[in-house]
Amino acid sequence: EDQVTQSPEALRLQEGESSSLNCSYTVSGLRGLFWYRQDPGKGPEFLFTLYSAGEEKEKERLKATLTKKESFLHITAPKPEDSATYLCAVRPGSQGNLIFGKGTKLSVKP
Amino acid sequence: GAVVSQHPSWVICKSGTSVKIECRSLDFQATTMFWYRQFPKQSLMLMATSNEGSKATYEQGVEKDKFLINHASLTLSTLTVTSAHPEDSSFYICSATPLGNYEQYFGPGTRLTVT
Repeated sequence: EDQVTQSPEALRLQEGESSSLNCSYTVSGLRGLFWYRQDPGKGPEFLFTLYSAGEEKEKERLKATLTKKESFLHITAPKPEDSATYLCAVRPGSQGNLIFGKGTKLSVKP
Repeated sequence: GAVVSQHPSWVICKSGTSVKIECRSLDFQATTMFWYRQFPKQSLMLMATSNEGSKATYEQGVEKDKFLINHASLTLSTLTVTSAHPEDSSFYICSATPLGNYEQYFGPGTRLTVT
């Protein structure tokens, strides 16, 4: 069964305190792993797509990496405006839809 | 680029009435559009997948006669909640995949409250 597990469920950081969010997955024929950011009451905002193990992508303070079993979203020197729920999703080879994890709620305190 | 809009952003309706939600891809053509619902503090749950010009594919447990989906063009899909009940109150979000692409871009969501 295709499955995505994110950890931790919630993460509280001080401004400037770097950390990582984890996304573990089991999927048949991965055709992409996706990271989204979701603010309360809004739709998910696309961040990254990773397709193969070893791939890395960066955007401002965020860096996403991918292995054969998991992905990490590294946040370097976070700011309060990085506070949001971060969602990980995978696209199985046999389907067009995404399977989402439950998300990690990140809070960054000034 | 890759902007998806939804209308309305929020709607309040009475029990027993129907509500239509529109999802548009503004700057790209979408082969496939998806409809999700999200309850408070929970992740997105896929309701159905729609392809332009064909019938939608519904996930298990989603009533196709209650949640009518029409994908009339490569830039527009609509979700109609028929005979709405309070338990249908939720946050409905659509997404769209550009032609030849795997990525999904999400709309801002529609908050439905049924009284």
